[in-house]
Amino acid sequence: AQSVAQPEDQVNVAEGNPLTVKCTYSVSGNPYLFWYVQYPNRGLQFLLKYITGDNLVKGSYGFEAEFNKSQTSFHLKKPSALVSDSALYFCAVRHASYFNKFYFGSGTKLNVKP
Amino acid sequence: DTEVTQTPKHLVMGMTNKKSLKCEQHMGHRAMYWYKQKAKKPPELMFVYSYEKLSINESVPSRFSPECPNSSLLNLHLHALQPEDSALYLCASSQVGRAPNYGYTFGSGTRLTVV
Repeated sequence: AQSVAQPEDQVNVAEGNPLTVKCTYSVSGNPYLFWYVQYPNRGLQFLLKYITGDNLVKGSYGFEAEFNKSQTSFHLKKPSALVSDSALYFCAVRHASYFNKFYFGSGTKLNVKP
Repeated sequence: DTEVTQTPKHLVMGMTNKKSLKCEQHMGHRAMYWYKQKAKKPPELMFVYSYEKLSINESVPSRFSPECPNSSLLNLHLHALQPEDSALYLCASSQVGRAPNYGYTFGSGTRLTVV
């Protein structure tokens, strides 16, 4: 079975501080992991993905994510948060053996305060 | 063109109405999807079309009827909906195949309110 978990419903951080949004996964086989961001009343926008290779993945808008196989985690990070980063963030795993099916985490609301 | 376009952006309909949601992409993607998203919840897969054929129906009630008339268009026909069907309906597209790096491109969604 494929699944991802986002243990925090909400993360609050001050502008300029580093941020982390957590994601853990449970997959059979190789994990194909993605992060998406959603602004109010908008669709999901792709941020970054891990397929293979370097455990540190860099994505859009200064975000990066660290793949940790031993901890089965794929946490999203940014060194310095912006107020405009406030949004809903979803971690997702793509089913490697059944193409085109994604499993989304429950989402984490990121609030960046000035 | 790297977008998925959904129309209308907002829709209010009565429980006896018939309406349709439209989705269009010109990226050459041959897989298209409908998702339903309730507030502050993750998207839930409804339907998957691959090469214009219905590949997945996630046990969606028959009051939702998808249609894929060609490789660029995806429709969702709505009839006799219930208030609990009010949600953001998202369309997405992707390439077809087992390559693991194929991600989705999402549209901005249609905010549906059933009264």
